[in-house]
Amino acid sequence: DTEVTQTPKHLVMGMTNKKSLKCEQHMGHRAMYWYKQKAKKPPELMFVYSYEKLSINESVPSRFSPECPNSSLLNLHLHALQPEDSALYLCASSQDQGRSSYNSPLHFGNGTRLTVT
Amino acid sequence: QKEVEQNSGPLSVPEGAIASLNCTYSDRGSQSFFWYRQYSGKSPELIMSIYSNGDKEDGRFTAQLNKASQYVSLLIRDSQPSDSATYLCAVDIDTGGGNKLTFGTGTQLKVEL
Repeated sequence: DTEVTQTPKHLVMGMTNKKSLKCEQHMGHRAMYWYKQKAKKPPELMFVYSYEKLSINESVPSRFSPECPNSSLLNLHLHALQPEDSALYLCASSQDQGRSSYNSPLHFGNGTRLTVT
Repeated sequence: QKEVEQNSGPLSVPEGAIASLNCTYSDRGSQSFFWYRQYSGKSPELIMSIYSNGDKEDGRFTAQLNKASQYVSLLIRDSQPSDSATYLCAVDIDTGGGNKLTFGTGTQLKVEL
């Protein structure tokens, strides 16, 4: 079992729906990440939060809106998605996101399988 | 040039053999290197990290790093069918605004009975 918990495991939503993905970790990590992964492709970075502040946004469309309420929680709010947004959404955490990430590998959650109809 | 490159495979090895997975990267300033294993439909799982030139061994796994050649590899000894998965090489790249882990496309390994 992973120490990064994501809910829900599966989500089916229409293009007009609003939904949220949730992620929680209790390892005391100060950096949290959202990745998107399509079939047979590597994970693609979407957002990074470091010490609860957004530090990287990889030019993600505004229909994806991240939120970090505290150091243990990370949300991804979804609105007006397109069918091509269907993918596995992975949350990850690491000790920090400093100048050197020695001994700071990513720990992934089990992911949310999102289908947009 | 892609930042992190891997052969997509599939790499097929017989059970009990050594599987050798390779990865090259473009950023000479990279300091941290990771190997993740991903089973189909599951999330990536960290299996090795390496930061210094040379070899690092953990059980049946050995990671090798050569910063001069910008090359990192993973050896799996005594390969088992349960090792069949996609292996992702990940390299930490300093963007100036923070570190970003960049993944290769992954190598699919098949261990055959």
